[in-house]
Amino acid sequence: EVQLVESGGGLIQPGGSLRLSCAASGFTFSDYWMHWVRQAPGKGLVWVSRINFDGSESRYADSVKGRFTLSRDNAKNTLYLQMNSLRAEDTAVYYCVRDYGYSGHKLWHKYFDYWGQGALVTVSS
Amino acid sequence: QSVLTQPPSVSGAPGQRVTISCTGSSSNIGAGYDVHWYQQLPGTAPKVLMYGDTNRPSGVPDRFSGSKSGTSASLAITGLQAEDEADYYCQSYDNNLSAVVFGGGTKLTVL
Repeated sequence: EVQLVESGGGLIQPGGSLRLSCAASGFTFSDYWMHWVRQAPGKGLVWVSRINFDGSESRYADSVKGRFTLSRDNAKNTLYLQMNSLRAEDTAVYYCVRDYGYSGHKLWHKYFDYWGQGALVTVSS
Repeated sequence: QSVLTQPPSVSGAPGQRVTISCTGSSSNIGAGYDVHWYQQLPGTAPKVLMYGDTNRPSGVPDRFSGSKSGTSASLAITGLQAEDEADYYCQSYDNNLSAVVFGGGTKLTVL
């Protein structure tokens, strides 16, 4: 059974740092790209960041670029999101999600087939 | 402001049919990227409801169906049930942004 379990959330002051972890099990972790998606209280889903199979390439939403760093340890089946210079607008539930990619009509498509339960990050003084 | 546009809310009585639209542009849905739908029940994480425009994962009832045309997609739910009350999100890929994009979400209320 595929499981994604986030940890590391909590209350942090503006300007502070926090590291989220996502422990993966039930599948070959190194075979999948992984992402973080966040949801502010009462708001919709927003893509945050993604990392490729071996961690050699990552991408970020403009809102977190330069402040967040995504990494992975395939030996430990764990995904990490280092969040620095946190702002009030970073307050959200952060979901670790698995990328299912496939080819069709000369394009590469992707969706998120498994989601973690989410980790709440609250940035407030 | 989400890249994909959804109505904030829809409602219907038990047994009725409702549709949720998802409107994009030439850089995402119109470019040919597939649309996927997620259902988020209150207090839970989203789960995939429809992938590749029209495909249901195992366990999703055939009361749910998807379609796509041009720069828009739709999710239809027939035989509405109380347990369908949830938030629904569409998702695709945008080649201008080189990123996954979501709709703003639609809250379905079963009257």
